[in-house]
Formats: sequence, structure tokens, C-alpha cells
Amino acid sequence: EAQVTQNPRYLITVTGKKLTVTCSQNMNHEYMSWYRQDPGLGLRQIYYSMNVEVTDKGDVPEGYKVSRKEKRNFPLILESPSPNQTSLYFCASTLQQGAPEQYFGPGTRLTVT
Amino acid sequence: AQTVTQSQPEMSVQEAETVTLSCTYDTSESDYYLFWYKQPPSRQMILVIRQEAYKQQNATENRFSVNFQKAAKSFSLKISDSQLGDAAMYFCAYCEGNKLVFGAGTILRVKS
Repeated sequence: EAQVTQNPRYLITVTGKKLTVTCSQNMNHEYMSWYRQDPGLGLRQIYYSMNVEVTDKGDVPEGYKVSRKEKRNFPLILESPSPNQTSLYFCASTLQQGAPEQYFGPGTRLTVT
Repeated sequence: AQTVTQSQPEMSVQEAETVTLSCTYDTSESDYYLFWYKQPPSRQMILVIRQEAYKQQNATENRFSVNFQKAAKSFSLKISDSQLGDAAMYFCAYCEGNKLVFGAGTILRVKS
């Protein structure tokens, strides 16, 4: 089954404790991205990757890092989480840049206290 | 920067009735995609319908259809014969190149 998986689905952590949210897709997609969803703001892109070792900032990259060492994986790293990073996070993938079909992961609910 | 505006934070519809969700966007491009996504309480993002800007014909998927007005940069979603399972948050999104730009969302409530 074609899918995007994210782990963990729920995470409660404390300010400053480094964490990683994993994202994996099994569709051999080139393009992957991370979004955060906040009330009244919709989803906003954090980072994206056009292929292995190619990443770039989206609209709200501050406080986040990403890596793309393998085509299927695109982890989101919060080196020093802060309460304003409490949000719902989605990973998405698509076959190539500009392709209309985006596949979303199930979301990760992150709470930073 | 591209922007997407959904002016209705919440809408209600009676079961079996029709409801229209509004969306406007801003872009200087001529070729792009527009989408409506549904987000039920499970939080999963579900693609409802998409429209390619170069196609004049409005997209339709079963009970879901759009009214795409390119010159007015308007992209509304019509849900016919509303069902209880249609209750969700609906996001309008614009796609160009690298990313999707989303509106703030409209909560749709369906009354039985």
C-alpha cells in the first residue's frame, strides 16, 4: 500500500530537549516536505526536499532542521524545542516538483511544555 | 507571495442540502493547481478535488464540484446532498512548484 508514515503520532516534551519526528514514504517519490498546522493559519511549509541531499527552507523554517540521506526518509529535527513549536505536523510527498498529487502522512501532534 | 483566503471560518448545512465553501487566492502565475482538502477529526488530510488552471471546465467528483473563476481568482467548493460524514475542516490550497499554500480552513458542520 502506497503511504507516508510518521512517528511518533503524539509527543509531549519539555523545552530544550532535542527531538526527531520521522517521515518515510514507500512510493519512490523525489519531493518531500514538512508542514505545520496551527489554528487560524492553515498549514504552512517548514522545509522541503527535491531529492537526496537537496533541501531548502519553506515559509517557517526557524527552529527546525531536516536531512535527506535516503530517498524514502525525511526526518524533522527540533534541536531545542520551544512552546511556540507546539503544533500539528504533517509530512507530505509527491513524485516530483510541481506534480499535483501530494500524499500526506497521518500527522504528529507535538506539545512542548 | 501567494496567498489563499477562506473567508468563512465556520459553515453549517442541513443533511441532504447543498453548501458552498468560498476560497480566493492571489497569484501572478497563469499555470497552477488548486485543491480542496478535507480534514476529519482523525486529522488525516484527504484530497477532495483538484483543478488545473489551464482547464476551463470545472472539476467534479461525485457530490463535490468546484466553481473556478480564474480571472476573479476564486475557487469555491460545492457539496451537494450533504451527509453527516462530510462534517470536517476543509482547506483550500494553491500549488505552484515547490509547495502548497493553504487557506486558514472552514469548519463544516452537518445537522441531522
